[in-house]
Amino acid sequence: ETGVTQSPTHLIKTRGQQVTLRCSSQSGHNTVSWYQQALGQGPQFIFQYYREEENGRGNFPPRFSGLQFPNYSSELNVNALELDDSALYLCASSSRTGVNTEAFFGQGTRLTVV
Amino acid sequence: GIQVEQSPPDLILQEGANSTLRCNFSDSVNNLQWFHQNPWGQLINLFYIPSGTKQNGRLSATTVATERYSLLYISSSQTTDSGVYFCAVEFGANSKLTFGKGITLSVRP
Repeated sequence: ETGVTQSPTHLIKTRGQQVTLRCSSQSGHNTVSWYQQALGQGPQFIFQYYREEENGRGNFPPRFSGLQFPNYSSELNVNALELDDSALYLCASSSRTGVNTEAFFGQGTRLTVV
Repeated sequence: GIQVEQSPPDLILQEGANSTLRCNFSDSVNNLQWFHQNPWGQLINLFYIPSGTKQNGRLSATTVATERYSLLYISSSQTTDSGVYFCAVEFGANSKLTFGKGITLSVRP
């Protein structure tokens, strides 16, 4: 158990809809990162949140957005869903204070867009 | 951006055999982690190893940062070791991870 929890675990949405995925970070961690993993690929960095602000973004369009709350939990929102958004979405929790930045992942949310 | 290459892409072993998985990266890194992804998609932390050597039971890892590679050793493999192994590196000012494409390991009884 990593202490990082994601919800929901599975989700089916229709093209054009909007979706919100949630992540609770591990106790003592202040940074949450989101990754998209397509079938057969390694996870790709979407963005990172630190102290409630976006702190780095990968090559994803603006319809991917996020939030971090004062308790360091986070949401990933995707608008205008496309079929290619079908993937496993992973949340990682880490700390930016100190030398050790080891990341711990939640179990993921498997999103299917039909 | 930084490139991470893992080899071999696929590996088939007989139970009890030993194996070495390799990760090469193209630039200096702040952090390197090895993960095992289980069939349900969860990434399990194996090692946080920006440099040096660590051991945990049948698994060990070595990172030679100056030569930009890391090795994961699995000894006396078991069927439960099957799955995908990822190397991920952290490069630059933020703590985002760049992943390799993974190594699919199949251990046969």
